[in-house]
Amino acid sequence: AQTVTQSQPEMSVQEAETVTLSCTYDTSESNYYLFWYKQPPSRQMILVIRQEAYKQQNATENRFSVNFQKAAKSFSLKISDSQLGDTAMYFCAFLTPQGGSEKLVFGKGTKLTVNP
Amino acid sequence: AAGVIQSPRHLIKEKRETATLKCYPIPRHDTVYWYQQGPGQDPQFLISFYEKMQSDKGSIPDRFSAQQFSDYHSELNMSSLELGDSALYFCASSLRGGRARYGYEQFFGPGTRLTVL
Repeated sequence: AQTVTQSQPEMSVQEAETVTLSCTYDTSESNYYLFWYKQPPSRQMILVIRQEAYKQQNATENRFSVNFQKAAKSFSLKISDSQLGDTAMYFCAFLTPQGGSEKLVFGKGTKLTVNP
Repeated sequence: AAGVIQSPRHLIKEKRETATLKCYPIPRHDTVYWYQQGPGQDPQFLISFYEKMQSDKGSIPDRFSAQQFSDYHSELNMSSLELGDSALYFCASSLRGGRARYGYEQFFGPGTRLTVL
């Protein structure tokens, strides 16, 4: 079974600074996808960024980028120029299409607070 | 762009009552997923449907059942409700044929907040 671990229950950062959220996962599959979802106080689940395991290049989306270390099974999220609107729970998630399931397996989440 | 629609947004029930949650996926999406998120918890996968057939089942209690209809909307039926069923229930949808573009992305609805008293 796949597991996702987020070792930082809570983090805080000053506005305009950079913060990195950690995520590790465990799987024996070779074909999989990794995601970071943001859940603000509204509780809406918003996709921040995704990474295909077969791609060596790290994904980037504006101020958000990942450091994907496949051998280490690590998938960290870097938020640059943090903004107050980045305050939210961040969930790392794993998906493998093997066996036709395609369900998302989430980590426990990291609560990020951006301070003015 | 159209998003996933869930109804109702809020639902209050008594113990042992029945609840029905509805999900309308993004048009043309053929796969629906249900997740349960308890207070302070991460979302947990319940069940999924592809082309109206159940494709996977997670930690869904026997008291719960779900189906996907011919118009691709889905309903989650919950009977004999317990206090522990109080949670946020998400529906998500995806398009299996859109892998090249969406990379297995699941689009989440706003959720239904169920409170069992």
